[in-house]
Amino acid sequence: EDQVTQSPEALRLQEGESSSLNCSYTVSGLRGLFWYRQDPGKGPEFLFTLYSAGEEKEKERLKATLTKKESFLHITAPKPEDSATYLCAVQAGNYGGSQGNLIFGKGTKLSVKP
Amino acid sequence: EPEVTQTPSHQVTQMGQEVILRCVPISNHLYFYWYRQILGQKVEFLVSFYNNEISEKSEIFDDQFSVERPDGSNFTLKIRSTKLEDSAMYFCASSASGGLPEFFGPGTRLTVL
Repeated sequence: EDQVTQSPEALRLQEGESSSLNCSYTVSGLRGLFWYRQDPGKGPEFLFTLYSAGEEKEKERLKATLTKKESFLHITAPKPEDSATYLCAVQAGNYGGSQGNLIFGKGTKLSVKP
Repeated sequence: EPEVTQTPSHQVTQMGQEVILRCVPISNHLYFYWYRQILGQKVEFLVSFYNNEISEKSEIFDDQFSVERPDGSNFTLKIRSTKLEDSAMYFCASSASGGLPEFFGPGTRLTVL
């Protein structure tokens, strides 16, 4: 069964304290792995797409990496405004289905204290 | 900045009633999606829609659910006879290129009593 697991469930950091969030997956053929940010009461906001092992993407203080079994979202010198829930999702399978059929993890709730 | 909008923000209904959740995707987007998130649970895919037809649907999207694009701007999700377990946040999303759902709406919280 295709599955996505994120850890930790919650992470509290001090401003400037770098850390990483983990997303491990077991899927029947990875078509893509996606990171989203979700603020309370809002819809997910797209951050990154990764397609193959070894790929890396960066945006401001965030950097996403991908291996054959997991992805990491590295947060460098976080600020309070980085506080949010970070969702990982994968598109699985070797079929021609729509890219909307994503399997989400439960997310990591990040809190950054000033 | 263009955005996906959803109405209402909160819908309360009695079990067995029909509800219609409305979404206005970004104007030049062609691919549309619905997801749901039960409180404390994962976001789950419901359906994707392109060229006025369903391109894919999940096991959750049974005969009680339907989608429609009644005009050039709205995209709706109808639940024919709501159940208690349909209580969730429902998100609409859209995409220009048919790939990843990049733009999500703020969601409609559906409460079934």
